[in-house]
Amino acid sequence: DAKTTQPTSMDCAEGRAANLPCNHSTISGNEYVYWYRQIHSQGPQYIIHGLKNNETNEMASLIITEDRKSSTLILPHATLRDTAVYYCIVRYYSGGGADGLTFGKGTHLIIQP
Amino acid sequence: NAGVTQTPKFQVLKTGQSMTLQCAQDMNHNSMYWYRQDPGMGLRLIYYSASEGTTDKGEVPNGYNVSRLNKREFSLRLESAAPSQTSVYFCASSTPGELGLAGTRTYNEQFFGPGTRLTVL
Repeated sequence: DAKTTQPTSMDCAEGRAANLPCNHSTISGNEYVYWYRQIHSQGPQYIIHGLKNNETNEMASLIITEDRKSSTLILPHATLRDTAVYYCIVRYYSGGGADGLTFGKGTHLIIQP
Repeated sequence: NAGVTQTPKFQVLKTGQSMTLQCAQDMNHNSMYWYRQDPGMGLRLIYYSASEGTTDKGEVPNGYNVSRLNKREFSLRLESAAPSQTSVYFCASSTPGELGLAGTRTYNEQFFGPGTRLTVL
């Protein structure tokens, strides 16, 4: 699996867009980019995933560069409840029915009031 | 739907004691997983089960055993607990990945339980 690099921590003002970067320069063509977050030692929560096109759901948007070597998770209007550790994961699913995720240390996003 | 439930929430053991962590899901998922998370670190996969009756080792399986009792339940057993096993343990479940572009499969999302905080003295 491709290795990912994320900043250790970031601040964002409440109500502003939070942009979380992730570098994955060794990503291969069939690997997807996934984002999960973990709020205060709870179990991680899935946010979004994508292959090459930009994706949007009710929680966030995912922007993947054309060369797929980096991506940005965007929380459009951050709230205090978005304070969490955000994990960027790059993974190829082998199709065997199940496979685990590899979590790095992630980015600790702190939303400031 | 309760989602993924784990028992107990907290546990303190002495070195050498044994215990079983329980996990159950009510989402009819085929796949289940056990992870551990040490302080300040990301999660690491211990074991997983693609379907009832099958289990496979993950990144850090030593010192653990698992049982996929049925489709709903997946338990993790520590036969002889060691201080190095002090950690937070998370169980997760997911449906099989869907067929995506160019024949590759993607994951469906994994759903995590609230965790079991284990301390081994």
